[in-house]
Amino acid sequence: GEDVEQSLFLSVREGDSSVINCTYTDSSSTYLYWYKQEPGAGLQLLTYIFSNMDMKQDQRLTVLLNKKDKHLSLRIADTQTGDSAIYFCAERRYSSASKIIFGSGTRLSIRP
Amino acid sequence: DTAVSQTPKYLVTQMGNDKSIKCEQNLGHDTMYWYKQDSKKFLKIMFSYNNKELIINETVPNRFSPKSPDKAHLNLHINSLELGDSAVYFCASSQGADWRGDRTDTQYFGPGTRLTVL
Repeated sequence: GEDVEQSLFLSVREGDSSVINCTYTDSSSTYLYWYKQEPGAGLQLLTYIFSNMDMKQDQRLTVLLNKKDKHLSLRIADTQTGDSAIYFCAERRYSSASKIIFGSGTRLSIRP
Repeated sequence: DTAVSQTPKYLVTQMGNDKSIKCEQNLGHDTMYWYKQDSKKFLKIMFSYNNKELIINETVPNRFSPKSPDKAHLNLHINSLELGDSAVYFCASSQGADWRGDRTDTQYFGPGTRLTVL
């Protein structure tokens, strides 16, 4: 919705890396976020990146931001069964800074 | 010690009824939000209050009315429920303000209320 797009599904083998991609259209984005939603639960912030950064690493999570292409990715190293969830990309735009706009979510499933 | 709580967790009701969902946060945040998540998991903001003042009101039918008695509470009242109102409704809160500054203003979400209209 509102031009934050993600692929709907991703399936990876346990132990492999998962890469979830997101594209956005507004060049005034200030912060970009990754949220995780487990079944029957609310959204939990995983990590975020400020728009003047290219990369952020936090344990198994690596966020890459390509501002030129308006592309954001989340890499999860050594994917575990507990990583099964829906992952939402979200952006905060300078032009409408009081709200964040969510992508449609990517459902990550882990196969043994 | 729950940060953002919502009641009820499940709500099943008939078309035409009026119902309320309550939200409370104990994080000391100034801003609270209501989101609607449809069956395809698409998440859309409905309302936001900052210090009890309405700051975001997306194109939501007038049947939906938020009420913020104080900074820690934001309730959602829905009149004349319709089938299309069936969804999961999430409350969230954040520190708020200075959104164009260098603060991320992380939003913390409640567990959601699954509303089913029959």
